[in-house]
Amino acid sequence: GAVVSQHPSWVICKSGTSVKIECRSLDFQATTMFWYRQFPKQSLMLMATSNEGSKATYEQGVEKDKFLINHASLTLSTLTVTSAHPEDSSFYICSAIRAGPGQFFGPGTRLTVL
Amino acid sequence: QQPVQSPQAVILREGEDAVINCSSSKALYSVHWYRQKHGEAPVFLMILLKGGEQKGHEKISASFNEKKQQSSLYLTASQLSYSGTYFCGTEMPPSGGSNYKLTFGKGTLLTVNP
Repeated sequence: GAVVSQHPSWVICKSGTSVKIECRSLDFQATTMFWYRQFPKQSLMLMATSNEGSKATYEQGVEKDKFLINHASLTLSTLTVTSAHPEDSSFYICSAIRAGPGQFFGPGTRLTVL
Repeated sequence: QQPVQSPQAVILREGEDAVINCSSSKALYSVHWYRQKHGEAPVFLMILLKGGEQKGHEKISASFNEKKQQSSLYLTASQLSYSGTYFCGTEMPPSGGSNYKLTFGKGTLLTVNP
């Protein structure tokens, strides 16, 4: 159990366009999901905490209007990168928690902005 | 506050042992350990909650010294499959119940050669 999926697994887009990434918990309900960004050979940096039915809590330095998060149901959270620029290119990973210890990570989405 | 991991990298021959350390300048509620293989999402290994607690997962075990605010991950008789980057994630004491929010160290790259 505790499978988390992400879609798409990779995306290439032009500068100025918006990209939506979906994170789904497949076999459990997740009241809380997290969104991370990871640059090559670096650590996971928490962007925001997403709670079902409420507004996301963003970490310091993360622009709310640029990274829109929606947690519409207990199994789905979405991250939309608006007006993407080359510096937004990164590996975006979501995680979800269920009853019990640990966060369970999705496979990640590699975003490349041209 | 990002925890400090050491060493940054370690190279082993199959069957050798390794220790990875994770220390924090702040009081900790829990320490989580994850392993990430190249291009994949992190995989949860274990969580440590109490001072002096030790846990094991196959030939991988960990300890948590609450007073020293540090945790160590022990890999014994390493296997080729142990190769990857190991991250510790630390959780600060919550005001009421766990907040599940983790801050990850920069990672330790472990390479196990035949």
